[in-house]
Amino acid sequence: ETGVTQTPRHLVMGMTNKKSLKCEQHLGHNAMYWYKQSAKKPLELMFVYSLEERVENNSVPSRFSPECPNSSHLFLHLHTLQPEDSALYLCASSQNPSPSYEQYFGPGTRLTVT
Amino acid sequence: RKEVEQDPGPFNVPEGATVAFNCTYSNSASQSFFWYRQDCRKEPKLLMSVYSSGNEDGRFTAQLNRASQYISLLIRDSKLSDSATYLCVVARRGTGGFKTIFGAGTRLFVKA
Repeated sequence: ETGVTQTPRHLVMGMTNKKSLKCEQHLGHNAMYWYKQSAKKPLELMFVYSLEERVENNSVPSRFSPECPNSSHLFLHLHTLQPEDSALYLCASSQNPSPSYEQYFGPGTRLTVT
Repeated sequence: RKEVEQDPGPFNVPEGATVAFNCTYSNSASQSFFWYRQDCRKEPKLLMSVYSSGNEDGRFTAQLNRASQYISLLIRDSKLSDSATYLCVVARRGTGGFKTIFGAGTRLFVKA
């Protein structure tokens, strides 16, 4: 199944690096999401975009910067990260951002900050 | 207190057993409820939505109790392939938009 794809799948970066995570959905959905999943913790919703407009920002540090150039693509720009930012970053999409709709997840990017 | 709470387990059961998970939520404004399944080192996938009247999908039955603010998942005739982490998900409208809150998950191991 390739409804939601994410690249890269693995990323190791130093604290002074700048990198970007990419997500693409092929489902014709209008809403896209970034989540963070740390070991032994629940998924944490970071950002929600609806039709390229950010509709939710859950107090995420500014070292994470999302970008949604169109309804099929979502980026997460990373700079000056901390080791505690090491986690699995999951992208998801849904038909629209209403709570009623199922979210489809990508395979995630496993990020390690050294 | 976490908004969505689950027993982390692990639940270790033999094949063929029936196992039940509960999940409690604290916000009475919660509107939608789901069970997702997450295999080791994989992304979550929707198992089933949970409706007020309860719903069944094969060996899986989900129920919602709004008065007591909990949802449950019952798995009958467990298979080895049911081994996974089961995530309780609650969604509602927040002040800035929509909020989707995941529980930390309940781990299930089904053994031969």
